[in-house]
Amino acid sequence: EIVLTQSPGTLSLSPGERATLSCRASQGVSGTYLAWYQQRPGQAPRLLIYGTSSRATGIPDRFSGSGSGTDFTLTISRLEPEDFAVYSCQQYGSPPLTFGGGTKVEIK
Amino acid sequence: QLVESGGGLVQPGGSLRLSCAASGFTFSSYSMNWVRQAPGKGLEWVSFISSSTSTIYYADSVKGRFTISRDYAKNSLSLQMNSLRVEDTAVYYCARDPGPYDSVYWYFDLWGRGTLVTVSS
Repeated sequence: EIVLTQSPGTLSLSPGERATLSCRASQGVSGTYLAWYQQRPGQAPRLLIYGTSSRATGIPDRFSGSGSGTDFTLTISRLEPEDFAVYSCQQYGSPPLTFGGGTKVEIK
Repeated sequence: QLVESGGGLVQPGGSLRLSCAASGFTFSSYSMNWVRQAPGKGLEWVSFISSSTSTIYYADSVKGRFTISRDYAKNSLSLQMNSLRVEDTAVYYCARDPGPYDSVYWYFDLWGRGTLVTVSS
């Protein structure tokens, strides 16, 4: 099974700053089969990115995804107040599909 | 939207049945999943059922104990959980695969808010 390690565990930033979140796989992810989700407390998880870099419907363009092989990145270009949340990556190239442990983006 | 229900406190070895009510889309056209999140941990995929129910998968951690099913008339997804263990304690989410009919994309474009299952004596 592919283990996804997300770093940092917590990112403390101010609104308007740029956030860079890392997701590293224990072995290469097949194709571009990596997704990112946002979780706010008490809310349903929300799909942000699929296929490494494709934004889901309704996701603003300040969110972008990149990477290949074992290293993937989610970038939020300018943090808005509603972006402070937990972000998780998921690989779906090799069964069983697996998730990372999450990165919390908190207000500094 | 997706709305889960049925969570609660249960003793080890006990059973619980979770439900997920779907609305606002053609439920029969999509594969569905259960995903869980233990306290302070990451998400963990639990089970999959195809739109036609012809294909069902389980994570090794729940195989033989959990059963996924769906009811087209009620637009509902269920998870029957037997022989529950302390390590099954988690928030359980139902989640939709965006692939139409029996195309499966293996990521999730619609989630519910989850229902908490606590297994403790």
